[in-house]
Amino acid sequence: ETGVTQTPRHLVMGMTNKKSLKCEQHLGHNAMYWYKQSAKKPLELMFVYSLEERVENNSVPSRFSPECPNSSHLFLHLHTLQPEDSALYLCASSRNRGQETQYFGPGTRLLVL
Amino acid sequence: GNSVTQMEGPVTLSEEAFLTINCTYTATGYPSLFWYVQYPGEGLQLLLKATKADDKGSNKGFEATYRKETTSFHLEKGSVQVSDSAVYFCALSDRGDKLIFGTGTRLQVFP
Repeated sequence: ETGVTQTPRHLVMGMTNKKSLKCEQHLGHNAMYWYKQSAKKPLELMFVYSLEERVENNSVPSRFSPECPNSSHLFLHLHTLQPEDSALYLCASSRNRGQETQYFGPGTRLLVL
Repeated sequence: GNSVTQMEGPVTLSEEAFLTINCTYTATGYPSLFWYVQYPGEGLQLLLKATKADDKGSNKGFEATYRKETTSFHLEKGSVQVSDSAVYFCALSDRGDKLIFGTGTRLQVFP
């Protein structure tokens, strides 16, 4: 499934930098998600948006700030990250919330120095 | 709470061998169950799913049956190929937004 794209694919940043991750879905879906994938840990759901409104925030630190300007685009703004935030960040979308199948993008591999 | 448990990997097989990756779940209600696959350097791709008890999901030669009595959704393939080498994730979706994933099982297939 190539309907969800993410940029950049790789990112290296210092702890004082500000950067943004971008996700775009071409599937006409109404719900979008950010996940964090760390080594040897289950995928962690970070944020859920439905019809551009944030509906869930799983106790994510404020140094991660999501933005959903429309139903096709989702951003994750990063500032003053820590080395333990290094991970693969995955975006996903689904037709609607609930038990719908989620389709994932290829992810952004983030390294915080 | 809801959870998914997968067998630890890596699973190492020769080409054309039979594959089973075990997955059991704990959930209230009637979740949907999924298998996702992650090839090296890529994101997760949906492999198959089942939405109710006794449903069998199948795709690309892989199968999994939703067993409510044993709360399991084991992944099977009769003859694996080198190209099947990847990490496989079992997941469940309850009536909320969350997909709850297992920790993943790495499969390595050698010629």
